[in-house]
Amino acid sequence: AQSVTQLDSQVPVFEEAPVELRCNYSSSVSVYLFWYVQYPNQGLQLLLKYLSGSTLVESINGFEAEFNKSQTSFHLRKPSVHISDTAEYFCAVTLAGYSTLTFGKGTMLLVSP
Amino acid sequence: DVKVTQSSRYLVKRTGEKVFLECVQDMDHENMFWYRQDPGLGLRLIYFSYDVKMKEKGDIPEGYSVSREKKERFSLILESASTNQTSMYLCASRSGGASYNSPLHFGNGTRLTVT
Repeated sequence: AQSVTQLDSQVPVFEEAPVELRCNYSSSVSVYLFWYVQYPNQGLQLLLKYLSGSTLVESINGFEAEFNKSQTSFHLRKPSVHISDTAEYFCAVTLAGYSTLTFGKGTMLLVSP
Repeated sequence: DVKVTQSSRYLVKRTGEKVFLECVQDMDHENMFWYRQDPGLGLRLIYFSYDVKMKEKGDIPEGYSVSREKKERFSLILESASTNQTSMYLCASRSGGASYNSPLHFGNGTRLTVT
């Protein structure tokens, strides 16, 4: 079975600073990787996903993540965060051919002025 | 736009009560899921369903059951609520077939408190 590790439960950062949220997975077979975001009092919504092809994927609001097979990582980055990016971020993985997602425990991004 | 609706935002029930959490999606999706979300534990899959009347256990099915009589509706049932089932419950749906790379669409959650 696959597993996902998000090492940081909270990441405090100042507005306009860069941020990296770390995600590592354990699987020796082909995987599909996702980042979801949960804003306060809302459900989760897809931020970006890696299925195949280019290892660098981007979202419409400036986040990017890079799939690194050798390090089994899929870290999320943003060069300059906004207050509105304050939310909880979940990394998730599924194996090719499976329909269920396994989620990490989440990282709370706290952006302050 | 995709919509997953959970009938209650907040729910307070007593220990031993039978509890129904309802979820409806309007996207004609085959796959539906129930997760619970707890601080420090992330999301854990309780049950999922591939189609009407089909169900599969997730990682933590004990104390729960589900019902899917219609494609758009997926109900989570707590047969006899206990305090350790106090949690946020999230419903999600996704298109079926070879759709493991399709995104999940989530409802806004039901915060259940069992006293």
